[in-house]
Amino acid sequence: SQTIHQWPATLVQPVGSPLSLECTVEGTSNPNLYWYRQAAGRGLQLLFYSVGIGQISSEVPQNLSASRPQDRQFILSSKKLLLSDSGFYLCAWRGKAGGRDTQYFGPGTRLTVL
Amino acid sequence: QQQVKQSPQSLIVQKGGIPIINCAYENTAFDYFPWYQQFPGKGPALLIAIRPDVSEKKEGRFTISFNKSAKQFSLHIMDSQPGDSATYFCAADSGGGADGLTFGKGTHLIIQP
Repeated sequence: SQTIHQWPATLVQPVGSPLSLECTVEGTSNPNLYWYRQAAGRGLQLLFYSVGIGQISSEVPQNLSASRPQDRQFILSSKKLLLSDSGFYLCAWRGKAGGRDTQYFGPGTRLTVL
Repeated sequence: QQQVKQSPQSLIVQKGGIPIINCAYENTAFDYFPWYQQFPGKGPALLIAIRPDVSEKKEGRFTISFNKSAKQFSLHIMDSQPGDSATYFCAADSGGGADGLTFGKGTHLIIQP
């Protein structure tokens, strides 16, 4: 069966520091991968998606970037964090897990920028 | 139009009641409508989904009603329990696309004991 991992689970970083969040998927190959951000009590904002190694599409211009160095690895980065980067970051993969092809989310990373 | 409009934003129901969450869409290319349930501090989990060729789908206490002509769909939770308290997101999918689902803004549901 397919499993999606995210780490770290929680992160507290000072303003201006770099960021690296990692997402890996097991049990599938060549999945579409996504990064979402969820502000406190808010909806899901799609940040980036990837259809393959080295292929990244950005939905929202911002202080963040994404990379896909391996088929089942998706990384979210920033060179200098802003206070507004705080939020809950979710990775998702798209594939079949019983029926229709749809999206499945990871457990998330809670990022607090101080 | 890629939006999915979800209402209400928040909902409080007594235990045993039937909360109803509504969603509406414009894009007729959408052909799959999943609902996600999210508990605090967790990622959204796929709860139930429906295709537009059926008007209703039930899984346990959760039911989706779908009105294709009105381009609306709704989630009903029968015999609601405090453990159902969560944020619920509807979504719409046009299938096969590289980009993500189109999500509603979410409904924060509280089931009071």
